Amino acid sequence: DTAVSQTPKYLVTQMGNDKSIKCEQNLGHDTMYWYKQDSKKFLKIMFSYNNKELIINETVPNRFSPKSPDKAHLNLHINSLELGDSAVYFCASSKEVKGLNQPQHFGDGTRLSIL
Amino acid sequence: DAKTTQPTSMDCAEGRAANLPCNHSTISGNEYVYWYRQIHSQGPQYIIHGLKNNETNEMASLIITEDRKSSTLILPHATLRDTAVYYCIVRVDQGGSEKLVFGKGTKLTVNP
Repeated sequence: DTAVSQTPKYLVTQMGNDKSIKCEQNLGHDTMYWYKQDSKKFLKIMFSYNNKELIINETVPNRFSPKSPDKAHLNLHINSLELGDSAVYFCASSKEVKGLNQPQHFGDGTRLSIL
Repeated sequence: DAKTTQPTSMDCAEGRAANLPCNHSTISGNEYVYWYRQIHSQGPQYIIHGLKNNETNEMASLIITEDRKSSTLILPHATLRDTAVYYCIVRVDQGGSEKLVFGKGTKLTVNP
């Protein structure tokens, strides 16, 4: 009954490769996010989508391209992976309720290691 | 940049109340205070949020000062499973979507 699920949980790959991380939520939420947590444990937002539309894009290199086929899915594709991309990537979702703050629900992360 | 400051680390004895402080002196009138925690190797977990009034749920209580410049998260009976990094966040609005800006948080260690 996982609410926000990410796959894969671990991803080890060579520099220069292209990889994708998938995220699915079964909460019926309207908004989905990608966050990156680096080796110093800082969590920073990368993107958010609301009903398949890009809302937030936080100065992330063009090599990162989010794709939302429907509002329950937000995948992250990364081209030409670099050493600095090694991090834990978290997907999250929240319900959009006008005028009301709604908490975000996070997945358990994808640990990406670039060799 | 995060709009909050928290102590880097705290210790608490199992069964005791854990009181985690947070300063947010530049908070705007319509900004909420959120608390999340991150247990090792897991995704952040929502705990509680509030605007002006004190709030309580099954996990914790949130006490916000009258001037709203600081708040305290209270775990009434801390257990070993409450060992985690606790983040105090002021909610930032951007285009109608909720953007969370995480600071360094407080690493709470609950000791037996």
